Amino acid sequence: DTEVTQTPKHLVMGMTNKKSLKCEQHMGHRAMYWYKQKAKKPPELMFVYSYEKLSINESVPSRFSPECPNSSLLNLHLHALQPEDSALYLCASSQDLGTGGASGYTFGSGTRLTVV
Amino acid sequence: TQLLEQSPQFLSIQEGENLTVYCNSSSVFSSLQWYRQEPGEGPVLLVTVVTGGEVKKLKRLTFQFGDARKDSSLHITAAQPGDTGLYLCAGAGDSSYKLIFGSGTRLLVRP
Repeated sequence: DTEVTQTPKHLVMGMTNKKSLKCEQHMGHRAMYWYKQKAKKPPELMFVYSYEKLSINESVPSRFSPECPNSSLLNLHLHALQPEDSALYLCASSQDLGTGGASGYTFGSGTRLTVV
Repeated sequence: TQLLEQSPQFLSIQEGENLTVYCNSSSVFSSLQWYRQEPGEGPVLLVTVVTGGEVKKLKRLTFQFGDARKDSSLHITAAQPGDTGLYLCAGAGDSSYKLIFGSGTRLLVRP
């Protein structure tokens, strides 16, 4: 299995809702990432997990809360989002934190989030 | 701050034409990757280049890493409509966990 699977593919939520995005990989990768991508822009790093521990938080607002229940799963919990948070949210994985640059990242197809 | 600049930002060509996309920086990168992204999908890794001066070929796509590891190029020969998409270069920076993405080149190949 060489895929990163993200669910749901599309999500519409109100500003008072609580929702979660899910990401799963079975490649044995030990580093997992959340990226945010606005239209016609490159992806922007949000969070990095290494061996199930949060390693990097790129100054992301607390209305985004990541969680890594085990080595294969990564969640992003959403609460009280704003319309400007509407974007494509991408999950990615790499063998290890330091090897992504050499071996490449595997991205999921993303969740298209719309906040109304 | 390490930055990657891509050019051109947008390219519309006829099927069968050749094209080159450039990715430039004033910083040295330990490696550089090229991704292609289709609308509504995640980026898909095409190639990773690691050694200065390295050239890699993937069917009609040729990737080159500059001798000084500050720039890279992607050349497509005889472009096809299936090549349409957003091409992103990304470099492993000083903090190797973080991929630094270029601004992207949007390619449209018309039949």
